[in-house]
Amino acid sequence: AQSVSQHNHHVILSEAASLELGCNYSYGGTVNLFWYVQYPGQHLQLLLKYFSGDPLVKGIKGFEAEFIKSKFSFNLRKPSVQWSDTAEYFCAVIFAGGTSYGKLTFGQGTILTVHP
Amino acid sequence: DTAVSQTPKYLVTQMGNDKSIKCEQNLGHDTMYWYKQDSKKFLKIMFSYNNKELIINETVPNRFSPKSPDKAHLNLHINSLELGDSAVYFCASSPGTSYNEQFFGPGTRLTVL
Repeated sequence: AQSVSQHNHHVILSEAASLELGCNYSYGGTVNLFWYVQYPGQHLQLLLKYFSGDPLVKGIKGFEAEFIKSKFSFNLRKPSVQWSDTAEYFCAVIFAGGTSYGKLTFGQGTILTVHP
Repeated sequence: DTAVSQTPKYLVTQMGNDKSIKCEQNLGHDTMYWYKQDSKKFLKIMFSYNNKELIINETVPNRFSPKSPDKAHLNLHINSLELGDSAVYFCASSPGTSYNEQFFGPGTRLTVL
């Protein structure tokens, strides 16, 4: 079955540290890839997305992600985190083809805590 | 101004009751979704409608019944609520069914006592 996994459940960093959150999926076909963020008590917001083209995509708030097709990965990065980045981050994938109908399959989420 | 709105935001009810959650989007999108986020924050799709037609129906108890009166609205009715139904329910919409970004509502936190 198609699935999405995020490597880290909880990441704790100090401000200005660099961030990398892992995301892998299991599917050999075409995928559309997303990272969403959920700030405490708020709804999901899109950070960035990849559909095709340059595998390095830039999103809002200084985040970027790299699609490595050979590794089935879409890791999220930020060079220097801020306290306001404290949130839960979700990797999500649309597995193209068949009857996906745009259905998002989510990873388990990674809680990021940034200490001032 | 709100793109995807849900009502109510919080819902506390007793086991066995029937309740509904409403969702509306003003983005002109054709496709709407219901997702359930459980206590471990895991998000899983439940249903999707495209132009009022049901296109995704995951393995969900038939106590859950979605209804789409028009393409801007997707409601979720739950019969005979159980403790395990406690979760946050998110509505989302997208321009179509082909691999678009989805816009999420604020969520409805349902607590079944």
